[in-house]
Amino acid sequence: DVVMTQSPPSLSVTLGQPASISCRSSQSLVYSDGNTYLNWYRHKPGESPWRLIHQVSHRDSGVPDRFSGSGSGTDFTLRISRVEAEDVGVYYCMPGTHWPLTFGGGTKVEIK
Amino acid sequence: QIQLVESGGGVVQPGRSLRLSCAASGYTFNDYGMHWVRQAPGKGLQWVAVISKDGDYKYYADTVRGRFTVSRDNSKNTVYLQMNSLRVEDTALYYCAKDSPLGAPFSPHGMDVWGRGTTVTVSS
Repeated sequence: DVVMTQSPPSLSVTLGQPASISCRSSQSLVYSDGNTYLNWYRHKPGESPWRLIHQVSHRDSGVPDRFSGSGSGTDFTLRISRVEAEDVGVYYCMPGTHWPLTFGGGTKVEIK
Repeated sequence: QIQLVESGGGVVQPGRSLRLSCAASGYTFNDYGMHWVRQAPGKGLQWVAVISKDGDYKYYADTVRGRFTVSRDNSKNTVYLQMNSLRVEDTALYYCAKDSPLGAPFSPHGMDVWGRGTTVTVSS
């Protein structure tokens, strides 16, 4: 099974400052079609998880452009250019082509 | 809009069974696979199972294979998770989630819409 390792486990960020979350996979996520399928989700307490990014860097509908995803192979990053209060929550990475599906351990983002 | 509503959670003793349901609306149910994902208290998200749009393909996490069975009734727009031989470690909030478009039998883009979850507590 692919193991997804996120860092840091938690992040305390000042409003308006950038934040970066790393996600590393135990094996390459390049799929047989040549593409890489890595998703990012945010989960707020009491709410349903919400997908922010799919296929490494494609923002989902309604996701602010302050969120961006990048990476390749085994190393991926989610960046928030200027953190806002509504960005608090736990962020998870998850590849979509390796079964069984596995989530990273999560990164909890808080406001300092 | 798309809605997923889970039900069937509750408190059950170890070794007993429980069946969760997830009613979908707002989209063509039989065009998409469906996932179950859980979150144990104080833990992260754990994928549990998936079923393809026609029910022909089913995958399970190692921790539940042989005990849990995912099924669906496309005439009722509902997906189920039959959980047998429950263990204390199965205690969690269980979410159903819709598979994303594209890909067969499952999308490489994972889940795009999630329900609010139903709580399962396994305790003696």
